[in-house]
Amino acid sequence: EVQLVESGGGLIQPGGSLRLSCAGSGLTVTHNYMSWVRQAPGKGLEWVSVIYSDGVTFYADSVKGRFTLSRDTSKDTLYLQMNGLRADDTAVYYCARGGWYRFDYWGQGTLVTVSS
Amino acid sequence: EIVLTQSPGTLSLSPGERATLSCRASQSVSSSYLAWYQQKPGQAPRLLIWGASNRATGIPNRFSGSGSGTDFTLTITRLEPEDFAVYYCQHYGNSPPYTFGQGTKLEIK
Repeated sequence: EVQLVESGGGLIQPGGSLRLSCAGSGLTVTHNYMSWVRQAPGKGLEWVSVIYSDGVTFYADSVKGRFTLSRDTSKDTLYLQMNGLRADDTAVYYCARGGWYRFDYWGQGTLVTVSS
Repeated sequence: EIVLTQSPGTLSLSPGERATLSCRASQSVSSSYLAWYQQKPGQAPRLLIWGASNRATGIPNRFSGSGSGTDFTLTITRLEPEDFAVYYCQHYGNSPPYTFGQGTKLEIK
């Protein structure tokens, strides 16, 4: 059974930084196209970033220059480094397998709250 | 960037009825790269349909997808109580950003 588990969310002040992690079981995270998708409270889904299997990354305009997606093959873990956080970054952040291919596996999400 | 517009925003139907949800793209989308997801409160989205018309693993055959170009449809025949949720369409593939529609809430009438 495939499982994706996000961690690292929490309460952070505006302007602060946070790093989210995504670890998988039943699949090799670092060999797949992996994305982050977020959902603000009561709102719809917003794609944030993708890393291709060859390591190429893309970002939504709303996070470009502030967020960085990377991976550690030795730990088979995906990371989303979030800097310069703003109130409108408040959301549940989901890790999902998908990008070039359909988004077929999703984690349970981790909540990031940006507030003073 | 491809903008996906879903309609209606809310659909009120009764169990046993047929639901038809629409997703319109601002520019042509390859059918290979259009997906539909279901999301229930407090849960992660679940893939229903990929490649516009292919059911994901374990999805009942009352769910079907169709369409091409800029107009896509998700149809649910004979609604079951567990089908009442929010549905999103999404463009994925070789050209990010991978945009989602704003969602259609399917509620019990």
